[in-house]
Amino acid sequence: ETAVFQTPNYHVTQVGNEVSFNCKQTLGHDTMYWYKQDSKKLLKIMFSYNNKQLIVNETVPRRFSPQSSDKAHLNLRIKSVEPEDSAVYLCASSRGLGASAETLYFGSGTRLTVL
Amino acid sequence: QQQVRQSPQSLTVWEGETAILNCSYENSAFDYFPWYQQFPGEGPALLISILSVSDKKEDGRFTIFFNKREKKLSLHIADSQPGDSATYFCAASVNNRIFFGDGTQLVVKP
Repeated sequence: ETAVFQTPNYHVTQVGNEVSFNCKQTLGHDTMYWYKQDSKKLLKIMFSYNNKQLIVNETVPRRFSPQSSDKAHLNLRIKSVEPEDSAVYLCASSRGLGASAETLYFGSGTRLTVL
Repeated sequence: QQQVRQSPQSLTVWEGETAILNCSYENSAFDYFPWYQQFPGEGPALLISILSVSDKKEDGRFTIFFNKREKKLSLHIADSQPGDSATYFCAASVNNRIFFGDGTQLVVKP
């Protein structure tokens, strides 16, 4: 049963374009995340939000920015995509302030292809 | 520095065999170790987890063995089924931060 919803499922775009991905969770969780999964399936955290405040911001390029309207939504905007941005972007949520001893619930991902 | 390492990178077993997936970690402060299972086209989902105070956790055909002294753990999948074919991520967590390993891709042949 899906509780973290991501749109779109796929997106193909040209270098330099701006893209935006949406994520919504219906679990009532306080924390949401964006992960990047590359072609080798490596998972790398990009951002996490707790109650609309950024609490983790790993070293990601400035062209990436998270956007949250409320604790149930966390979107990801990429200002000017580069070829190396091609990946699957996974949104996740957890109940509390962080992930220690808590379960991460992932969406099914948005696959971005940059031509 | 890689905080969590997994081996092998890929593993193929026959249906009915026990698959053993290995994981090691660097930070002795890690206190929670979840394993996530990911099928193609889906996000990872929690499969089973263990706290550092335990040395074994069972859930049906899935068992985690944990060795705190050696900073190693393993996931055993007994009576493997083709439906178990997936990528398995070992993770370690402390202080609200979670670190994922690189994953083991398991294929179970019928």
